[in-house]
Amino acid sequence: GAVVSQHPSWVICKSGTSVKIECRSLDFQATTMFWYRQFPKQSLMLMATSNEGSKATYEQGVEKDKFLINHASLTLSTLTVTSAHPEDSSFYICSASFNPSGTSGRITQYFGPGTRLTVL
Amino acid sequence: AQSVTQLDSQVPVFEEAPVELRCNYSSSVSVYLFWYVQYPNQGLQLLLKYLSGSTLVKSINGFEAEFNKSQTSFHLRKPSVHISDTAEYFCAVSVYRASGTYKYIFGTGTRLKVLA
Repeated sequence: GAVVSQHPSWVICKSGTSVKIECRSLDFQATTMFWYRQFPKQSLMLMATSNEGSKATYEQGVEKDKFLINHASLTLSTLTVTSAHPEDSSFYICSASFNPSGTSGRITQYFGPGTRLTVL
Repeated sequence: AQSVTQLDSQVPVFEEAPVELRCNYSSSVSVYLFWYVQYPNQGLQLLLKYLSGSTLVKSINGFEAEFNKSQTSFHLRKPSVHISDTAEYFCAVSVYRASGTYKYIFGTGTRLKVLA
């Protein structure tokens, strides 16, 4: 249980174009989804947190106009990298948590397989 | 502020030898601790977690970790490693935020390299 998928797994785009990455919870309703960025051989950096039906909360230093996050349903969140540039090339990972009775679900995050973005 | 420290960036170990990956945290409130494993070009897989109860938690593939409140540690151990355990291991603490959600604070990761 608690499977999270991401699509696409990798994408190559030209500088200046926009790229959308989807994150889906396959067997549970994700009340909260998280988007991370990971540079080679480094830890994960939290970009933003989104709750279904409300605006995402961005971490300090993350440009909300550049990284658009939508969490329209309990099973889908999208990250759109607008006007992508080579410095946006990275590994993007989403995760999800849910909110059953009790706090265990809200505390634990389940991660997707990641999307590797390369901007030429 | 809460933080997680993984002192060892790389740990080489021979196959079938025991291993310990260290994780220390700083937190003034209740802690929820996790170990995740990441294989190359993949997302993170939950290895084990401590939320409450028994301080010794175990995974299905032979790893275990012990929550030690006095030493603020959550070290990961395995008595006998396999080549397939070669991966990056991340320790994380989940912290509560005013918005009602929880946020992970990750350590910098430890690369476990199992040698034949």
